[in-house]
Parts: sequence; structure tokens; C-alpha cells
Amino acid sequence: KQEVTQIPAALSVPEGENLVLNCSFTDSAIYNLQWFRQDPGKGLTSLLLIQSSQREQTSGRLNASLDKSSGRSTLYIAASQPGDSATYLCAVSTSGTYKYIFGTGTRLKVLA
Amino acid sequence: DTAVSQTPKYLVTQMGNDKSIKCEQNLGHDTMYWYKQDSKKFLKIMFSYNNKELIINETVPNRFSPKSPDKAHLNLHINSLELGDSAVYFCASSQEPVWGLRFEQYFGPGTRLTVT
Repeated sequence: KQEVTQIPAALSVPEGENLVLNCSFTDSAIYNLQWFRQDPGKGLTSLLLIQSSQREQTSGRLNASLDKSSGRSTLYIAASQPGDSATYLCAVSTSGTYKYIFGTGTRLKVLA
Repeated sequence: DTAVSQTPKYLVTQMGNDKSIKCEQNLGHDTMYWYKQDSKKFLKIMFSYNNKELIINETVPNRFSPKSPDKAHLNLHINSLELGDSAVYFCASSQEPVWGLRFEQYFGPGTRLTVT
């Protein structure tokens, strides 16, 4: 049974810092992994989607990496801004199950 | 233009009532989903439809019945509401099912259901 863990649960950093959010999963037989952000009271916004054959994806100041063998993905945010404050969720789809399993998220606060 | 929309945004009702939540996507996607986010913010899939056919049905009480009249709509009907049904329900869509290569999910804004 796939389990997804995100560490840390909460993170507070000053503006301008580079930071890394972690996502771990127990079953390495995955189809893909997706990173989302969720703002308070809002839905989820897709940030990056990494297929199982890929090692990383980049979008602007965001870079997500995937290491299937170790069951880990990281989301790197460069030069953080107060507008990056949100909860970041990773979700993993496991081969044969046809569904995403979500982590519990990392609540990020970037201080001005 | 709203890609995935849900109505209502808030729903407050009493135990035992029957209610529906509607979802529409204008992205031309073939697959739609319902998720439940509990008070601890844990998000879990409930149902998934591909081209109006059910492809995922998690261990959800029979009181929950999804209906897909066409590819652009996936509604969720809940019978005999219970206190434990209080949560935020999210609708989502994707161009392909999870095994496809274009499986980026787009989420609606959520419906906060409160059962009193």
C-alpha cells in the first residue's frame, strides 16, 4: 500500500531564501508524481508533473526532482517570496492503482 | 474563464438530508474526479470517471453516488447526510486517466460541506 509523507509539516523562512520541500513514498512502482500548491480556502493548483521516466521538471523558480529508487521527490523553490506562502502537496500515482495518493502537505510561510 | 467549477461553494445542512454538489469543466478533458479533504487537510480520492464511465470507486459509503451526464459534468449526490460527511469536496479533471502521459489534474475551488 502506497504511503506518501511530506517533511517538514510546516516551514517558515525569510524572503529571498532558497528552500527545499521533501516528499517520500513507499512504493517505487509509480506512474508519475505531481506537486500542487493550495492556498487557504482554495482549490489545488498544479505546479509540476514528473513522469516516472523523468528525473526532474522545472517551471520558473520551481524545480522538482524524482528519485524513484529511493522513493523521494524534492521541490526546490528559489528566491522565495511572500506570495509563495501556501500549503504544498505532493501526490503519487502507483502502477496498477490508477489513482493519486496525496501527502499531508508542507505549510510554507515566507516572511517579508 | 473558470476551468473547473463547483456549486455550491458552501453547503450547510442537517443530518439526514440529501444534497448534491455539481461540477463542470470546460477544458475538454475526458476524466473527472471527486476528492474529499478532511479537517486535517488530508486529501483522498473518492471516484473517477473516464468518458462517463466509472473507473475508480474507493471505499465510499453507498450514500455517495456520482453521476456523469456527459464528459464535462460530474455531480455528487449524498443521501442521509451524517456528521462525519463534513469536509471540503473537490472536483478535478485531467486530459487522460492516471496511466496517461498527460495526467495533469486541474482542481475546482471546492465545496465546504457542514452537516449539523
